[in-house]
Amino acid sequence: AQSVAQPEDQVNVAEGNPLTVKCTYSVSGNPYLFWYVQYPNRGLQFLLKYITGDNLVKGSYGFEAEFNKSQTSFHLKKPSALVSDSALYFCAVRTYSGNTPLVFGKGTRLSVIA
Amino acid sequence: DGGITQSPKYLFRKEGQNVTLSCEQNLNHDAMYWYRQDPGQGLRLIYYSQIVNDFQKGDIAEGYSVSREKKESFPLTVTSAQKNPTAFYLCASSSGGHTEAFFGQGTRLTVV
Repeated sequence: AQSVAQPEDQVNVAEGNPLTVKCTYSVSGNPYLFWYVQYPNRGLQFLLKYITGDNLVKGSYGFEAEFNKSQTSFHLKKPSALVSDSALYFCAVRTYSGNTPLVFGKGTRLSVIA
Repeated sequence: DGGITQSPKYLFRKEGQNVTLSCEQNLNHDAMYWYRQDPGQGLRLIYYSQIVNDFQKGDIAEGYSVSREKKESFPLTVTSAQKNPTAFYLCASSSGGHTEAFFGQGTRLTVV
């Protein structure tokens, strides 16, 4: 069975500092990994994904994520946080097989303080 | 504009009522999904459909029903058997594999 863990319910960071939101996964087989962001009372917006190849993936709004196969992790990062980055972030996984649903972590609330 | 549309944005249900949430996509995606979101619990899969006229139960299907008569549409009915239906419901679609899922803006259902 596939699963995703986001070990931190809440991450607080000062504006201008680097941010990291952690994600680890468990799958049988090779994973496709995704990060989404959600603003209050809205749907999820896609940020970036890892398919294969380069372990460092760049996405929207200056976000990037690093795939680490040995640690089964896919942490989301940004070099300099903005107050507008404050939102709920979800990590998700799907295996290579077919059109199966994404399995999501429980989410991490990011708060960027001015 | 291509996208996925959920309606209504807010919905109120009386005890014992069935209600239907609409989800329509014009992205030509084969697969569609319904998730339920509760605070602190992330997104939990209710039902999904990989092709027209076929669908599978997710992790929390009890008290819900779906249909997939058209590629573009995947309505979710919350039946009176669902004892705790108050939640935020999200519909998504994808073309599968390495492609990301696209989400609608959600429907917030409240029992009154």
